[in-house]
Amino acid sequence: NAGVMQNPRHLVRRRGQEARLRCSPMKGHSHVYWYRQLPEEGLKFMVYLQKENIIDESGMPKERFSAEFPKEGPSILRIQQVVRGDSAAYFCASSPSGQETQYFGPGTRLLVL
Amino acid sequence: SQQGEEDPQALSIQEGENATMNCSYKTSINNLQWYRQNSGRGLVHLILIRSNEREKHSGRLRVTLDTSKKSSSLLITASRAADTASYFCATDAVGTDKLIFGTGTRLQVFP
Repeated sequence: NAGVMQNPRHLVRRRGQEARLRCSPMKGHSHVYWYRQLPEEGLKFMVYLQKENIIDESGMPKERFSAEFPKEGPSILRIQQVVRGDSAAYFCASSPSGQETQYFGPGTRLLVL
Repeated sequence: SQQGEEDPQALSIQEGENATMNCSYKTSINNLQWYRQNSGRGLVHLILIRSNEREKHSGRLRVTLDTSKKSSSLLITASRAADTASYFCATDAVGTDKLIFGTGTRLQVFP
């Protein structure tokens, strides 16, 4: 039973480019969460999705960031016109339902030059 | 503001000693989870304790939860060098499904 998969593991972008981060939840999990971790800090919640629905995006910046979890395929976190401050590790987690253990992927480390 | 605050921020011990980390939070919760993160890696789930539970064990780990004080502790007994990592508590507040993470405790176990 494969765990949560994220790709790419490392992503380098220049300022102004777009970054697309992908997350495939564990088999049987329909709840996906995205978190961001800055160096030496804890994880900060960004967005919570179920298939085709955004449930809670209270942690998502209002501009440039968007997330989706289509009926088929992985969840995508998209960052448009990246800036240096977007450099961080982005983690995806999944669970079979709400209020249960969230299992984390290995993360995507984004570096904006 | 961040839900969880962890204490201490950093802890250094010798192999074989016990390590205790504490976590405080602010609002009512459904459950509290502890995770481990090795440097530059993802998070590994250690243990989940529900709001109606007071203590839970898993191998060398012992977690307590005091909802009246809004605090939890993680005890690692007979520590090993391989336990060196950052440890985070995360709460699942009532009415939400998102996790709010603490700032973490960086544990260093010397052989």
